[in-house]
Amino acid sequence: QLQLQQSGPGLVKPSETLSLTCSVSGGSISGTRYYWGWLRQHPEKGLEWIGSIYNSETTYYNPSLKSRVTISVDTSKNQFSLKLTSVTAADTAVYYCARRLIAAGYAYDYWGQGTLVAVSS
Amino acid sequence: DIVLTQSPATLSLSPGERATLSCRASQSISGQLVWYQQKPGQAPRLLIYDASKRATGFPARFSGSGSGTDYTLTISSLEPEDFAVYYCQQRFNWPITFGPGTRLEIK
Repeated sequence: QLQLQQSGPGLVKPSETLSLTCSVSGGSISGTRYYWGWLRQHPEKGLEWIGSIYNSETTYYNPSLKSRVTISVDTSKNQFSLKLTSVTAADTAVYYCARRLIAAGYAYDYWGQGTLVAVSS
Repeated sequence: DIVLTQSPATLSLSPGERATLSCRASQSISGQLVWYQQKPGQAPRLLIYDASKRATGFPARFSGSGSGTDYTLTISSLEPEDFAVYYCQQRFNWPITFGPGTRLEIK
């Protein structure tokens, strides 16, 4: 059974960089059958797509965040990461990592547990 | 960006009743629509993909339909565990976008 386990700080200071990692177990992060992505959900709000990475190198980012986002894969550790620079209070949200399965209509079929990240001094 | 509008925002029904949730896109998305179910404190869970294909683990009372700009999620007879928030998502164009959700609550 595939599992995605998120790790990273729950509190980040304004103007600093938010860094989260998603460790994948029960399957390989390598290959062309999946994308790996990050999404977020502001408190009591809907979902926002942050970005995805495909085949460990091709990245797709939400234009609204593109200048601040980096998603990368470490195949040796079977994990992928999110970096969001210059954070503000507007970046306070629950962040999710997820797998996007091509065979399931490119839908996000496995999700991490979510990490509440607060941006505050 | 493609904008998804979901209606109603909140739907109050009783167990055993039929639920019909709507998702409308700002342009045709050619059936490239996904539905997710989210319960409090949990990550979203894939429910329907490609507008009408049910994901593993969901019973047949859940069905999706639609084409072009208009899509529907139907729950034929509500069970207590079905009360949750439902989101639609399009993958026709980057960036991926989500609807604001429909909260299905017990009447």
